[in-house]
Amino acid sequence: DAGITQSPRHKVTETGTPVTLRCHQTENHRYMYWYRQDPGHGLRLIHYSYGVKDTDKGEVSDGYSVSRSKTEDFLLTLESATSSQTSVYFCAISESGVGLVEPQHFGDGTRLSIL
Amino acid sequence: QKEVEQNSGPLSVPEGAIASLNCTYSDRVSQSFFWYRQYSGKSPELIMSIYSNGDKEDGRFTAQLNKASQYVSLLIRDSQPSDSATYLCAVFQFGGYQKVTFGTGTKLQVIP
Repeated sequence: DAGITQSPRHKVTETGTPVTLRCHQTENHRYMYWYRQDPGHGLRLIHYSYGVKDTDKGEVSDGYSVSRSKTEDFLLTLESATSSQTSVYFCAISESGVGLVEPQHFGDGTRLSIL
Repeated sequence: QKEVEQNSGPLSVPEGAIASLNCTYSDRVSQSFFWYRQYSGKSPELIMSIYSNGDKEDGRFTAQLNKASQYVSLLIRDSQPSDSATYLCAVFQFGGYQKVTFGTGTKLQVIP
């Protein structure tokens, strides 16, 4: 299994509070991704990173920020959590490919509930 | 039209039968295709990758790709109750980064 650790695994918090989710990898892969998964929507990309300090937005980035100060760590921050951000969050990693893309491998997920 | 479409199911098959899961995609320049299996409450797990037209077999799994029809499928032979899960189709499209678009998944139920 790919060495990906997400923390925390579960979190319950209140509307308006800041929340930070952590993704840690031991594979030294270049690309890291944050997704959220909701019923009826599947996996949707929030933000991704293609190197240290190199990040960009995905399709549902509003209300989220990210940081990557080291190859192995990718943080997702909800500056002021809202109930619509209640979801399961997955981190994924992939190595850069030449010609053919390398598939993504997923962490175990974080179940976040915002009351 | 969604970029990647899958029938949500559930698809019910008896144990030992062949399960056929289908996925269509809208972007003709899509280049790489993946099937993930996701058990309830767990993370997606890669089970197949396919990059060129035709069939690719791995054990009981066969992925089929037809780029002209923009169609990719997954066949599971000798289905087992342990195959009961949601299967996600993922499609890679060239862009400034490694963009992968996921379908919403097909739930498979294998009946003993």
